[in-house]
Amino acid sequence: GAVVSQHPSWVICKSGTSVKIECRSLDFQATTMFWYRQFPKQSLMLMATSNEGSKATYEQGVEKDKFLINHASLTLSTLTVTSAHPEDSSFYICSAMRSGANVLTFGAGSRLTVL
Amino acid sequence: RKEVEQDPGPFNVPEGATVAFNCTYSNSASQSFFWYRQDCRKEPKLLMSVYSSGNEDGRFTAQLNRASQYISLLIRDSKLSDSATYLCVVNSDSGYSTLTFGKGTMLLVSP
Repeated sequence: GAVVSQHPSWVICKSGTSVKIECRSLDFQATTMFWYRQFPKQSLMLMATSNEGSKATYEQGVEKDKFLINHASLTLSTLTVTSAHPEDSSFYICSAMRSGANVLTFGAGSRLTVL
Repeated sequence: RKEVEQDPGPFNVPEGATVAFNCTYSNSASQSFFWYRQDCRKEPKLLMSVYSSGNEDGRFTAQLNRASQYISLLIRDSKLSDSATYLCVVNSDSGYSTLTFGKGTMLLVSP
């Protein structure tokens, strides 16, 4: 089945630093990947849609200069949280859909804690 | 009205019980519907898609009521391992950039 790998699974960083999270589709090509954020006891909120070879589409209220998304290949999308602050602490999850399939496969998520 | 609403629970049921969750959605043009299961601190995993005619997968049955704009999930013969949060997910068009997640319903199955 479709597998999406997300790395790192845990990251703790100091305020002001940048953190990069990778999302890879291991056994299929994904022209589109999605990035979500989930705060405790909240549901997933779509942050942006990552399109291979083009700019990401950000949801309203999500700062594109703070959450940099790069989708340079058909199997890799990265999310960089720039100048992270404690309020950015959250669970970040990516997902991808295999071409022709009708379901999303999620990465295992990355838990970011900003001190 | 929120786009996708679920009772957050928790639903506390004993093993072997039957439990049902509902989820209402506001966009009548919504085209596809899913139930995802999310364990604590883990990513959501697809439990089942919800088809117009209703569908069953083992102990799980999903139903769609377009007229009343809700979907349901029925779990029979609950197992301890069914304890999780069940997310209702609605897609408003044929693409996947308009997926809307409910906040989830927590199920706790006790011995």
